[in-house]
Amino acid sequence: DSGVTQTPKHLITATGQRVTLRCSPRSGDLSVYWYQQSLDQGLQFLIHYYNGEERAKGNILERFSAQQFPDLHSELNLSSLELGDSALYFCASSVGASGGRTTDTQYFGPGTRLTVL
Amino acid sequence: GQNIDQPTEMTATEGAIVQINCTYQTSGFNGLFWYQQHAGEAPTFLSYNVLDGLEEKGRFSSFLSRSKGYSYLLLKELQMKDSASYLCAVSYSNYQLIWGAGTKLIIKP
Repeated sequence: DSGVTQTPKHLITATGQRVTLRCSPRSGDLSVYWYQQSLDQGLQFLIHYYNGEERAKGNILERFSAQQFPDLHSELNLSSLELGDSALYFCASSVGASGGRTTDTQYFGPGTRLTVL
Repeated sequence: GQNIDQPTEMTATEGAIVQINCTYQTSGFNGLFWYQQHAGEAPTFLSYNVLDGLEEKGRFSSFLSRSKGYSYLLLKELQMKDSASYLCAVSYSNYQLIWGAGTKLIIKP
């Protein structure tokens, strides 16, 4: 158990809908990262938040948005869902030393499996 | 660009040794991570290398050569449970890791 929690574990929805995925980082961690992993594909970095501020953006679609709240939990919002958005979405957290630079180990949550029908 | 290259798939025999290579661009390098990921599960941290040389952790070892932009993960005494994907990720001078596509390791009895 990494100490990172994600809810829900599974989500089934229809095209055009909007969903929110939630992540609680390990106690004390300031950095939260979101990743997308489609079937048999590599990890695609979406976005990194450090202590409430966006630090880096990867291949995140405009239909997707994220935020990190004062209690450091984070939410990833996916809207106008398409079939191709079906994937595992992982959240990871790290201590976030030095303002969130990536030399700290990232610990991954169990993921949310999103199925868009 | 900051491409990370690792083999797509490797096959090895139970009890044997396997070496998974990873090459990367050296400019701006801060450190290199190895993660293990079983199918449908979250990646789990294996090792972090920032200095040249070999780091040993039980059956797993990781090597780094900063000047050559090269790392490998060495798995000894392979067990069936080692069947997984192994991900190489590099920290450069920014706020995101650059991830390789992963090496799928198949262990045969």
